[in-house]
Amino acid sequence: QKEVEQNSGPLSVPEGAIASLNCTYSDRGSQSFFWYRQYSGKSPELIMSIYSNGDKEDGRFTAQLNKASQYVSLLIRDSQPSDSATYLCAVNPGGGADGLTFGKGTHLIIQP
Amino acid sequence: DAGVIQSPRHEVTEMGQEVTLRCKPISGHDYLFWYRQTMMRGLELLIYFNNNVPIDDSGMPEDRFSAKMPNASFSTLKIQPSEPRDSAVYFCASTMDPASYEQYFGPGTRLTVT
Repeated sequence: QKEVEQNSGPLSVPEGAIASLNCTYSDRGSQSFFWYRQYSGKSPELIMSIYSNGDKEDGRFTAQLNKASQYVSLLIRDSQPSDSATYLCAVNPGGGADGLTFGKGTHLIIQP
Repeated sequence: DAGVIQSPRHEVTEMGQEVTLRCKPISGHDYLFWYRQTMMRGLELLIYFNNNVPIDDSGMPEDRFSAKMPNASFSTLKIQPSEPRDSAVYFCASTMDPASYEQYFGPGTRLTVT
């Protein structure tokens, strides 16, 4: 069974610091990886996608992928209180437009 | 540009009743996905369509659940009869980009079955 694992948290980070969120996946053939942010009572919002090994940066967000270790991470620099949310790691196992397999999410709290 | 639209936003029904959830994908998106989110199981894929054709329904929990996509701009997820364990938030998502497959989610329907 294809699985995506995340630490549920809560992860508490001081405002202005770097928040580091981690995710591992079981299907070695997975091709596409995504990070979604979900505020309480809202729908998941796509914030990052990554497809090849290495780092991908977008503003304050950096996604990191290591396929050999089956590991994906998200770094949030200069954390703001508005970053407080649940962050969902999602994996597309097939490489095509298949449904995503989601982790259960990490609850991030940015302390002012 | 309008995002994915879902209705109703909230639904409360009694056990045994039929429930129909509706979704309008983003215009031009060829793929439509139905997900269910609960505290216990997280976000799970139920079924997805490509060009109105169901491709993978292996996530549909049981025969009480059915989904249709009669045209490119409309899909339904039906539960008949509903049970209390069906209580969850049901999301619809769509995508069009074959290079990235980034999926965009609707606001969800919160279903409560009493």
